[in-house]
Amino acid sequence: EAGVAQSPRYKIIEKRQSVAFWCNPISGHATLYWYQQILGQGPKLLIQFQNNGVVDDSQLPKDRFSAERLKGVDSTLKIQPAKLEDSAVYLCASSSPTGGVETQYFGPGTRLLVL
Amino acid sequence: GDSVTQMEGPVTLSEEAFLTINCTYTATGYPSLFWYVQYPGEGLQLLLKATKADDKGSNKGFEATYRKETTSFHLEKGSVQVSDSAVYFCALSAYGSSNTGKLIFGQGTTLQVKP
Repeated sequence: EAGVAQSPRYKIIEKRQSVAFWCNPISGHATLYWYQQILGQGPKLLIQFQNNGVVDDSQLPKDRFSAERLKGVDSTLKIQPAKLEDSAVYLCASSSPTGGVETQYFGPGTRLLVL
Repeated sequence: GDSVTQMEGPVTLSEEAFLTINCTYTATGYPSLFWYVQYPGEGLQLLLKATKADDKGSNKGFEATYRKETTSFHLEKGSVQVSDSAVYFCALSAYGSSNTGKLIFGQGTTLQVKP
């Protein structure tokens, strides 16, 4: 079974530029998550989708971040304009109920550096 | 709100030493508990999980027991190897009025195993 795919793996941009990340979840997984992991910290949820609907975006900085999951499969996360503090690893995860509990599986992440 | 606290690292051990990484949590409901591991340059991988009080999760020689009375989920391994060097994250997942199953992570504990 293929895992969660993400691209690009690395991205370097100047502040105020825009950037987009792509995620393709494990086939059949209805729930998709985007997390932000700042160096030295645990990941924090940005947005959660159930199929193509948003379940939780309470921690998403909506003035600069946007995300969509058209057709309920792959997803795109965009930052516009980027700030220095957006430098982080952006992790995508998808989940399915395994053994009675929703278990999340993570992609390799996109490492973003904003200069 | 719900939270997870891990012991600070780095933890440095010699090969074949006993490992304990402490994890405590605060949650209003009955969360599921997880340990994820992040090897250098790789994404988060699920190590083990437990869904209710007194459950023991185990995998690859690691184990952790869900202790509701002490709100803890400490990770243990009897004999560590150099290949266990990684960052370990404790996390919880809960459903309720403000929780939609997202993972709430601790800050991570770096383990370094020396030959």
